[in-house]
Amino acid sequence: DGGITQSPKYLFRKEGQNVTLSCEQNLNHDAMYWYRQDPGQGLRLIYYSQIVNDFQKGDIAEGYSVSREKKESFPLTVTSAQKNPTAFYLCASSTLDRGKTGYNEQFFGPGTRLTVL
Amino acid sequence: QKEVEQDPGPLSVPEGAIVSLNCTYSNSAFQYFMWYRQYSRKGPELLMYTYSSGNKEDGRFTAQVDKSSKYISLFIRDSQPSDSATYLCATMDSNYQLIWGAGTKLIIKP
Repeated sequence: DGGITQSPKYLFRKEGQNVTLSCEQNLNHDAMYWYRQDPGQGLRLIYYSQIVNDFQKGDIAEGYSVSREKKESFPLTVTSAQKNPTAFYLCASSTLDRGKTGYNEQFFGPGTRLTVL
Repeated sequence: QKEVEQDPGPLSVPEGAIVSLNCTYSNSAFQYFMWYRQYSRKGPELLMYTYSSGNKEDGRFTAQVDKSSKYISLFIRDSQPSDSATYLCATMDSNYQLIWGAGTKLIIKP
C-alpha cells in the first residue's frame, strides 16, 4: 500500500521553539516537496529535493530547513526564525520522468497543521 | 499580479447543478494546466490535467483551456454533495515547478 505519510497530524509550538515535521514516502519517487498552505492562498513552495543529499529553496524558504539523507524521507524543521509559522504544511513527492504526458503528478500526504501558541 | 488568479469563493450550488470553476494566468508560455481537489484537512489529489488548449473530459468533469484569453475552467456536471471540496488550479513553470491558484471552496447543497 504505497503512499506518503506525514506526522504528526496536529502540532503545537511555543514561540521560540524549533519543531520538525516528518514526511515519509514508499512510492520510490526521486523528488519530494514541502508546501505551506494558508487560508485563501494557494500552496507556496518551501523546499524541494530531487536527489538524496541535495535540496533547493522554494519561494518562502526563510525560517525553514530540510534534510534529505534517505530517498524515502524529507523532514522539515520550522525554526524560531519563522515569524508566522501557523499554517497547514503539505509534503508531496513525484517521479522525475515526465514520460509521455510531459507532466509529473505530485502526490500529497495528509498534511500537518502547526499552531504557534 | 499573481501568476495564477482564482476566486476563493465559497461557491454554493444546489445538488444536480452544473458547476463552473475558473482561473486566469499571466504567462503565455505556460503549457500544462492541472486541477487538484482537496477535501477538508486532507492533501490535494490530482483531478485532471490538460496540455495547451482544448477540452478534456473524464466522467462528470471537463477541463477546458483557452490560451488566447489565458483562462482555464473546470466544469462539473450533475454535481453531488460528495463534490464539496476546495478545487485548486495549477500550472507548471519552465523549471517544472507548480504555480498554484488560491483554490475555490465549493459547497454542493443537498
